[in-house]
Amino acid sequence: KNEVEQSPQNLTAQEGEFITINCSYSVGISALHWLQQHPGGGIVSLFMLSSGKKKHGRLIATINIQEKHSSLHITASHPRDSAVYICAVQIYRDDKIIFGKGTRLHILP
Amino acid sequence: KAGVTQTPRYLIKTRGQQVTLSCSPISGHRSVSWYQQTPGQGLQFLFEYFSETQRNKGNFPGRFSGRQFSNSRSEMNVSTLELGDSALYLCASSLDVGPSTDTQYFGPGTRLTVL
Repeated sequence: KNEVEQSPQNLTAQEGEFITINCSYSVGISALHWLQQHPGGGIVSLFMLSSGKKKHGRLIATINIQEKHSSLHITASHPRDSAVYICAVQIYRDDKIIFGKGTRLHILP
Repeated sequence: KAGVTQTPRYLIKTRGQQVTLSCSPISGHRSVSWYQQTPGQGLQFLFEYFSETQRNKGNFPGRFSGRQFSNSRSEMNVSTLELGDSALYLCASSLDVGPSTDTQYFGPGTRLTVL
């Protein structure tokens, strides 16, 4: 079993829909990251969380430390949001970082 | 400020050769991390350097090595290349000690193909 699990693996939605991507982890962490990767490989760091909730524009990230779960929400989705979204956690005991397999999001116009 | 730059962007090598990849962090950033991305394994952590010292290392064989210079630029080296080393190698920089304390900024990656 992977230490970081993301769901769904693939998601296709219509423009304007509310999107939720989930990340569950099984290790103690010091931080959780949400990354966005567009075709061609470029990665952008969206959020770094250790507790609570963060918002940036149409993106919202939440984390529940007790339940070892985080969600990334996109409101009013747009075709330019189409990308792979990756959850990564920083392990508390050794500071190493491990990644989920990613969620491929496709927003249809 | 210029972003993180990686050179070369694309590289083709044959099995048994060795390769050196370079990463220049954002000016003022002192931490550099390296990652490997493959279709099968996804993203995996290779190393993290801070102030010329390797602060952390992932679960990769000794053929993978790296270093950081006094100007924070970093290089990684892979010796005796294997077909499975074909991957996108990404470098990321942050201002301070690394991913748990600071946002990382990623470079465009070096795509290595081993024939």
